[in-house]
Amino acid sequence: EAQVTQNPRYLITVTGKKLTVTCSQNMNHEYMSWYRQDPGLGLRQIYYSMNVEVTDKGDVPEGYKVSRKEKRNFPLILESPSPNQTSLYFCASSDFPGSNQPQHFGDGTRLSIL
Amino acid sequence: AQRVTQPEKLLSVFKGAPVELKCNYSYSGSPELFWYVQYSRQRLQLLLRHISRESIKGFTADLNKGETSFHLKKPFAQEEDSAMYYCALGFGGNTPLVFGKGTRLSVIA
Repeated sequence: EAQVTQNPRYLITVTGKKLTVTCSQNMNHEYMSWYRQDPGLGLRQIYYSMNVEVTDKGDVPEGYKVSRKEKRNFPLILESPSPNQTSLYFCASSDFPGSNQPQHFGDGTRLSIL
Repeated sequence: AQRVTQPEKLLSVFKGAPVELKCNYSYSGSPELFWYVQYSRQRLQLLLRHISRESIKGFTADLNKGETSFHLKKPFAQEEDSAMYYCALGFGGNTPLVFGKGTRLSVIA
């Protein structure tokens, strides 16, 4: 089954404790991205990647890092999480580097930073 | 800058009433437009895209280049349509999609 898999689905942690949210897709998509979803603000893009070893900042990259060492994986790293990063996070992928193709989303990861 | 505007944060309608979720965009080129839906506690999923010109779950959307709009419509709302709806704009090339802030549709029985 074609899917985007995120882990963990839920995480409660404390300020400053490094964490990684994994994202993996099995559709051989070149384009992957991370979004955060907050009430009243909708979806905001954090980072995206057009291909292996190619990453770019989205609208709200501060406090986040990503890597794209393999085509299927695109982890989101919070080196020193803070409470304002408490949010619902979605990973997405699509075919071809570009925005014309519909995106496939993961189930989301709910992060709570205390 | 390219932008997508969904003017309503929340839209409440009665079951059986017509629904129109508004989406306006700012882009001078040929846009790719999408509607995504997110049911409660589920992932976002593609509802429809303008080039398909298809109807999904009774929803349709027509691109109006003159008004730069891509409103989502359904003639008779159902309770199961209650969800968050996002309009998204694509430009081609290596540019990410731009999402609107979303409209929460609540269908009241």
